[in-house]
Amino acid sequence: EDKVVQSPLSLVVHEGDTVTLNCSYEVTNFRSLLWYKQEKKAPTFLFMLTSSGIEKKSGRLSSILDKKELFSILNITATQTGDSAIYLCAVEPGRDDKIIFGKGTRLHILP
Amino acid sequence: GAGVSQSPRYKVAKRGQDVALRCDPISGHVSLFWYQQALGQGPEFLTYFQNEAQLDKSGLPSDRFFAERPEGSVSTLKIQRTQQEDSAVYLCASSSLGEGAYEQYFGPGTRLTVT
Repeated sequence: EDKVVQSPLSLVVHEGDTVTLNCSYEVTNFRSLLWYKQEKKAPTFLFMLTSSGIEKKSGRLSSILDKKELFSILNITATQTGDSAIYLCAVEPGRDDKIIFGKGTRLHILP
Repeated sequence: GAGVSQSPRYKVAKRGQDVALRCDPISGHVSLFWYQQALGQGPEFLTYFQNEAQLDKSGLPSDRFFAERPEGSVSTLKIQRTQQEDSAVYLCASSSLGEGAYEQYFGPGTRLTVT
């Protein structure tokens, strides 16, 4: 059965800290790994990763994929209170564009 | 509007009632997805349409759940004889065919509470 496992499930840090969120997966066919940020109702897209070892960056956020070890990390440096959200990792297995989501990491940044 | 819209945004139903949740995808988007997100969980796939064809309904949790998209645009997710475990946020997403799942655009969701 295809699955996506995220850790930790929740994390509380102080503003300015750096955090690393983890995502491991098991799928029969892999097409891409996706990171989303969910603040209210609908997840918003952050990164799509398809190749190992190539870091994607957007401001203070970065992510990298290891297809050999089947995991990805999402880094957030110099965290701000606005980074407080649920971060979802998802995998597209390569059929019918159906995404499999992890349970998310609930990140809370203290001022 | 430019995005995916869903209605109602909030729905409270008594156990045993039927509910209908509506999704208006982005105009021209061929693919439409429904997800169920329970409190504290990631969204879980329910069903997928390509135009009016329901290509995958493997995620529907029981035969009380039914989805349709008769004209390949607006979709309705119907839940019959609601149970408390149906309480969740129901997310709809749409995308253009062939451009990859990462271009799924999500609606704001409908929060269903079954009492």
